Amino acid sequence: QKEVEQDPGPLSVPEGAIVSLNCTYSNSAFQYFMWYRQYSRKGPELLMYTYSSGNKEDGRFTAQVDKSSKYISLFIRDSQPSDSATYLCAMRSGTASKLTFGTGTRLQVTL
Amino acid sequence: DTGVSQDPRHKITKRGQNVTFRCDPISEHNRLYWYRQTLGQGPEFLTYFQNEAQLEKSRLLSDRFSAERPKGSFSTLEIQRTEQGDSAMYLCASSSDRTGGAAGQYFGPGTRLTVT
Repeated sequence: QKEVEQDPGPLSVPEGAIVSLNCTYSNSAFQYFMWYRQYSRKGPELLMYTYSSGNKEDGRFTAQVDKSSKYISLFIRDSQPSDSATYLCAMRSGTASKLTFGTGTRLQVTL
Repeated sequence: DTGVSQDPRHKITKRGQNVTFRCDPISEHNRLYWYRQTLGQGPEFLTYFQNEAQLEKSRLLSDRFSAERPKGSFSTLEIQRTEQGDSAMYLCASSSDRTGGAAGQYFGPGTRLTVT
């Protein structure tokens, strides 16, 4: 079993929809949680990072962490075709340097 | 701040050849990471430098792989005697202790390696 599980999709939504992306994890030592966006054949771009449990909002993006359930989410409001990409969750423990990634969810926002 | 840069962007090589990739981190970042990503998967950690010291290596980094970061600036990743299984995107990332260490890792565009 992988340490981080993420549904690979693809997830297709109409423009303007609210998108919910999720990851579950098994390592209770994880404390820092990140979401990256990756366009085809490009490097991952850091969107959000949070420490421990709680919510964080940045524009159309909201990240939620529920450590008790080992579950993290990324919500995208008013989705746009330019949001079409693969979204990767990543996390690390407080002492580790490396990030552990999910497999990524491919999102397609249609007109 | 020009971001993390990697060179080359694409490399095609024959099995058994050696290849070397270069990464230039964001200038004020003291931490540098290498990851490998295959199709349909998330990046997997390979190794990590803090300044010029290589502090952690993954079991994925076989004896054919070596990484250096002389003077704590740019880094190189060399693969000797390449195998078809080495075909992947090699990603470099950097971060600064001032931004919470590894919490904010910023990635370069990657080097796509194809071994024929």
